[in-house]
Amino acid sequence: EVQLVESGGGLVQPGGSLRLSCAASGFTFNNYEMNWVRQAPGEGLEWVSYISSSGSTIYYADSVKGRFTISRDNAKNSLYLQMNSLRAEDTAVYYCARDPSLYVWGKGTTVTVSS
Amino acid sequence: DIQMTQSPSSLSASVGDRVTITCRASQGIRNDLGWYQQKPGKAPKRLIYAASILQSGVPSRFSGSGSGTEFTLTLSSLQPEDFATYYCLQHNSYPRTFGQGTKVEIK
Repeated sequence: EVQLVESGGGLVQPGGSLRLSCAASGFTFNNYEMNWVRQAPGEGLEWVSYISSSGSTIYYADSVKGRFTISRDNAKNSLYLQMNSLRAEDTAVYYCARDPSLYVWGKGTTVTVSS
Repeated sequence: DIQMTQSPSSLSASVGDRVTITCRASQGIRNDLGWYQQKPGKAPKRLIYAASILQSGVPSRFSGSGSGTEFTLTLSSLQPEDFATYYCLQHNSYPRTFGQGTKVEIK
C-alpha cells in the first residue's frame, strides 16, 4: 500500500525551529517528486515547497522562502522540511504529497506557533 | 505567479442535484489542473487530473472539463458522501496555486 506518514509537528514559540519528516512506503520513493502543502486552521490549501526526485531542483512559496528548507534522503525513503524563524502565520497542518500533481497525500502533522 | 479564482466559495444543494464549480486561471495553463475533495479533518483526495481524467476509483458522477484558463468540475447527481470542500490546483508552473475552495453544503 502506498503510504506517506508525516511526523515532527508540535508547539513552538515564535522565532523557533522545527523539522518535519515524511516517511514513504509502498512505492519507489526515488522515482517521485515530492511536495509540502499546508492548511491553516479554517483556511484553504497552500502549496509550500517542491523537490525533484534527485533533490537537484527545489521551489518554495514566497511566504516561506529563506526560512524553510526542503530536503530528501532517498536511501531512507524520507522527505523533510526544516522550518526556521517560525511565525504565528505558519500555524497549520502540514501535508507531504507525492507527484504527479499531488496524487498521494499523508494525513498531516500539526504545527502550532505560539508563545 | 498564476492566480486561480474558484467560484462559488460555497453552495447549498440537495441530494440528486447537479453541481458545477469553476476555476479560472490568470494565464493559460494548458490542461495542467487537478480537482481535489477534502472532508473535515481529512487530507485532500485527488478526483480529477489533467483537467478531465477521472482518478481511478472515483465515481463517474464526477467530471472535469476545460483547458487554457477556464475549468469546470461537475457533479451530475449529488450524493450524501459528496458534501465536502473542493479545490482546484494548477501545476503548470511554480509556485503551484490552489483555488480558494468551494464548500458544498446540504440544503
